[in-house]
Amino acid sequence: DIVMTQSPDSLAVSLGERATINCKSSQSVLFSSNNKNYLAWYQQKPGQPPKLLIYWASTRVSGVPDRFSGSGSGTDFTLTISSLQAEDVAVYYCQQYYSNPGGSFGQGTKLEIK
Amino acid sequence: QVQLQESGPGLVKPSETLSLTCTVSGGSINNYYWSWIRQPPGKGLEWIGYIYYTGSTNYNPSLKSRVTISVDTSNNQFSLKLSSVTAADTAVYYCARGFYPNSYITIFPYWGQGTLVTVSS
Repeated sequence: DIVMTQSPDSLAVSLGERATINCKSSQSVLFSSNNKNYLAWYQQKPGQPPKLLIYWASTRVSGVPDRFSGSGSGTDFTLTISSLQAEDVAVYYCQQYYSNPGGSFGQGTKLEIK
Repeated sequence: QVQLQESGPGLVKPSETLSLTCTVSGGSINNYYWSWIRQPPGKGLEWIGYIYYTGSTNYNPSLKSRVTISVDTSNNQFSLKLSSVTAADTAVYYCARGFYPNSYITIFPYWGQGTLVTVSS
């Protein structure tokens, strides 16, 4: 099983500042035949289902603000919010979909305003 | 725009079977993989299993012995049954659709709102 570990568990950032969330997988999620990282990021606000933000580690979903970006490869990944807005307060999850069936999620990172 | 809605009992007794249905609107259930995912209160996300519109299934190995997912294409619905439930199965249960047609890759752009199922006597 691939275990996804996020850091930190919680994070407080001032409005307009950069927020960085890390995700590490216990084995590589880079598929060599297509050179794609099977890694997604989701945002979950209280009482709502998760919202897909980024897939293939760095492809932003249409309509997601460009202050959200994903990077990394292999086993180490980062979600960056370049300028934190009040509406970005949420829990963020990384997910690997390399392993079939289903993949697995990180434990979540709670992002708050400082 | 595809919409998903979970329905079913919010309270299930220990040792009984949890049953939920997901109704898909705004699009056909055909040609996609459909998943169930759960989230215990205050905790993270766990993929339960998926079904293809043809009826082909795959389940999380940790739950496989207790899970059955079925599909009803005529009504654009798919369902989850989880047997022999315990308090550890208390969670918000979500249904979700895969990103690409005819692909089991489990990226989830569409989710239901979720339904809380509590296991208690």
